[in-house]
Amino acid sequence: GENVEQHPSTLSVQEGDSAVIKCTYSDSASNYFPWYKQELGKGPQLIIDIRSNVGEKKDQRIAVTLNKTAKHFSLHITETQPEDSAVYFCAATPGGSYIPTFGRGTSLIVHP
Amino acid sequence: NAGVTQTPKFRVLKTGQSMTLLCAQDMNHEYMYWYRQDPGMGLRLIHYSVGEGTTAKGEVPDGYNVSRLKKQNFLLGLESAAPSQTSVYFCASSYTLFVAAFSNQPQHFGDGTRLSIL
Repeated sequence: GENVEQHPSTLSVQEGDSAVIKCTYSDSASNYFPWYKQELGKGPQLIIDIRSNVGEKKDQRIAVTLNKTAKHFSLHITETQPEDSAVYFCAATPGGSYIPTFGRGTSLIVHP
Repeated sequence: NAGVTQTPKFRVLKTGQSMTLLCAQDMNHEYMYWYRQDPGMGLRLIHYSVGEGTTAKGEVPDGYNVSRLKKQNFLLGLESAAPSQTSVYFCASSYTLFVAAFSNQPQHFGDGTRLSIL
């Protein structure tokens, strides 16, 4: 089955800095890669996703890149703000499966 | 439009007691999922359902049962609660485009049920 590794487990940055979270996956059949943000006491919410026919996707301060050859994908947050502090999860879903495998999460702390 | 609603939000049980967690979605999604979240372990899939009347085991199904009698509801049951089942439980739902080449869609999560078993 699919295996997703996520690093780092904790990331501390100063407000205004950039933050990068990296994930690797094992199943070459995975073709959908969502990223979720989980705020304290809430459920995860989708912030951005990318499919295997695209190498990069951007939405304002958030971007995701995908390297299918190396089987890794990354979340980039620029100009971080205190409200970006949360736990972020990556996931990989094999085509036709509809069952994602999640990374273990990254706790992002943005210091004012 | 409420999305995914989980009840109850909090519960404390004694070892050996049983209970049912309810998940309801109003988005007409085919797929529904139950996860547990423990510190440092991410989200682990307990059971899932691909449609009304069907369920399947996930990664950590032991000690849990599920039912999907109506498309909008997905119930998670603990038959005989154990302290190891202390966790935060999340329900999620998603729709699929079965005929599309890239058919996976994002999941929509509820806000969780925090369950403590003494």
